[in-house]
Amino acid sequence: AAGVIQSPRHLIKEKRETATLKCYPIPRHDTVYWYQQGPGQDPQFLISFYEKMQSDKGSIPDRFSAQQFSDYHSELNMSSLELGDSALYFCASSLSGRAHEQYFGPGTRLTVT
Amino acid sequence: GEDVEQSLFLSVREGDSSVINCTYTDSSSTYLYWYKQEPGAGLQLLTYIFSNMDMKQDQRLTVLLNKKDKHLSLRIADTQTGDSAIYFCAEISPNFGNEKLTFGTGTRLTIIP
Repeated sequence: AAGVIQSPRHLIKEKRETATLKCYPIPRHDTVYWYQQGPGQDPQFLISFYEKMQSDKGSIPDRFSAQQFSDYHSELNMSSLELGDSALYFCASSLSGRAHEQYFGPGTRLTVT
Repeated sequence: GEDVEQSLFLSVREGDSSVINCTYTDSSSTYLYWYKQEPGAGLQLLTYIFSNMDMKQDQRLTVLLNKKDKHLSLRIADTQTGDSAIYFCAEISPNFGNEKLTFGTGTRLTIIP
């Protein structure tokens, strides 16, 4: 069965640069969630989208923005990168109204140097 | 996560049972989960339990839920070296505008040969 696809899997950026992470949900899933997991920490919810609209928001920095497109894929844009942004970024997807059935992607490891 | 607590470390002899504990504060939590994360890898959903259940068994895994005490546990029978990982409990009380999974701090399980 098709799973959530995230690209790239690894990304290295320098401080103050910009990064864009992409997430392709499971086919027919229309809701996307983003989580950030810092080194040695638990995953923290950033933001979610349903039908191209933000549906829930967590502790996402103002330097980050995200959107969902008409084909339901989502992009997380991070600007003015800081060392503390180095983390594993997970995307999850679900059918609408089924937030309790989130399927996680393999994650994108972002390293900021 | 601040609302979901776990012990940080657990060491168990190979072949013994492992019991990983989790406490949560949100009495409206509807679904409670156990995820496994191996070093550098993604989140693998092991099992989940609905809040109206008090036990769920799946092969070597047994989940116990004490809703009164807001306590969740995961028992792994006949622990093997491949069970070495970090285990996260997570909860969600999904409703409109609240779709995030809240993760615990994670328990690192080490298997002693």
